[in-house]
Amino acid sequence: EIVLTQSPATLSLSPGERATLSCRASQSVGSSLAWYQQKPGQAPRLLIYDASSRATGIPARFSGSGSGTDFTLTISSLEPEDFVVYYCQQRSEWPLTFGGGTKVEIK
Amino acid sequence: EVQLLESGGGLVQPGGSLRLSCAASGFTFNGWTMNWVRQAPGEGLEWVSVIGNDGDNIHYADSVKGRFTISRDNSKNTLYLQMNSLRAEDTAVYYCVQDGWYNWGQGTLVTVSS
Repeated sequence: EIVLTQSPATLSLSPGERATLSCRASQSVGSSLAWYQQKPGQAPRLLIYDASSRATGIPARFSGSGSGTDFTLTISSLEPEDFVVYYCQQRSEWPLTFGGGTKVEIK
Repeated sequence: EVQLLESGGGLVQPGGSLRLSCAASGFTFNGWTMNWVRQAPGEGLEWVSVIGNDGDNIHYADSVKGRFTISRDNSKNTLYLQMNSLRAEDTAVYYCVQDGWYNWGQGTLVTVSS
């Protein structure tokens, strides 16, 4: 199975700062990578699919990049509601797998 | 509006069984692949299983293979997850998810404990 490693586990930043979250795959997933945001007590929300396509309704401050084994989610300027947990997911092959998550916290 | 409503969660003893249901509405259910994803308390997300729109193309996570069975009834717009030989490590909130991954249910909690 493809293992996704997210780093850092926790990212401490201030509102208005730029956040850069990493997701590394144990083997190539091509561009079949998605990013999700999860707020406490809620189901995850799709942010990015196919590595760099923003999902419907997602603000432009969220962007994704990468291919193969190295991927990045960038939040250009953190809003207060962005301080939550983010997961990557590969859809290249079965079983689908998720990364362990990155928590973005207020510094 | 797409709605996915899970039910069937609860407390079960180790070794026991439970069947989860997910009632779908607001879209053409028989045209969509469906997934189950779970999340243990305080932990990350784990994909569990997938079923194609007409009941074929089924896959499972290694952690549940041989114990869980995914199925669907397109006449009832309902997705199921039959869970047997439950273990403590199966304790989690279980979400049903429409393929495309925009639409998730609110989740149902399964607790495996004696």
